[in-house]
Amino acid sequence: AQTVTQSQPEMSVQEAETVTLSCTYDTSESDYYLFWYKQPPSRQMILVIRQDAYKQQNATENRFSVNFQKAAKSFSLKISDSQLGDAAMYFCAYPMNRDDKIIFGKGTRLHILP
Amino acid sequence: EAQVTQNPRYLITVTGKKLTVTCSQNMNHEYMSWYRQDPGLGLRQIYYSMNVEVTDKGDVPEGYKVSRKEKRNFPLILESPSPNQTSLYFCASRRLRNTEAFFGQGTRLTVV
Repeated sequence: AQTVTQSQPEMSVQEAETVTLSCTYDTSESDYYLFWYKQPPSRQMILVIRQDAYKQQNATENRFSVNFQKAAKSFSLKISDSQLGDAAMYFCAYPMNRDDKIIFGKGTRLHILP
Repeated sequence: EAQVTQNPRYLITVTGKKLTVTCSQNMNHEYMSWYRQDPGLGLRQIYYSMNVEVTDKGDVPEGYKVSRKEKRNFPLILESPSPNQTSLYFCASRRLRNTEAFFGQGTRLTVV
């Protein structure tokens, strides 16, 4: 069965510094996608970044980038130049190819220290 | 504006009193789901629908019902709510299986 594991329940980073959030997953599927979602205090779920497993190049969206290691089944999120607005819960997510199921990790709460 | 709309955003109810949380999307998406979010557990899928009149159970379906009579609407029904259903609920939709999910703003439900 597919699983998604986020091993860091909470993290803190100084404003303007760089932080990396970890995510590992397990799947028997060969072609898939991975997402990082952000949930700020407003509770809204916001897509941060998407990685297509068939692409070797790591996805990047402005200050957000991923380190995707397919063989190791690792999908970490790097936030550069952290800002106060980055404080949120971050969820790693794996959408399964069948059904309409998205498997979420348990989340990492990120604190930004001014 | 493309969006998923959930109502209500907050709801306090008593044990056993039937309630419905509505969900509507304006993006003509095929797939819709309901999730519940609990501290330390992340988001868990309750029910999903891949088309009109097609629904199926997710990971935690006990105590919930859904219907998909129209493509845009996917209400969540709690026939007899219990305190263990106190949670934050999200409706989500997406166009295809491998595309991003769009989420509603969440419904904070408290059952006393």
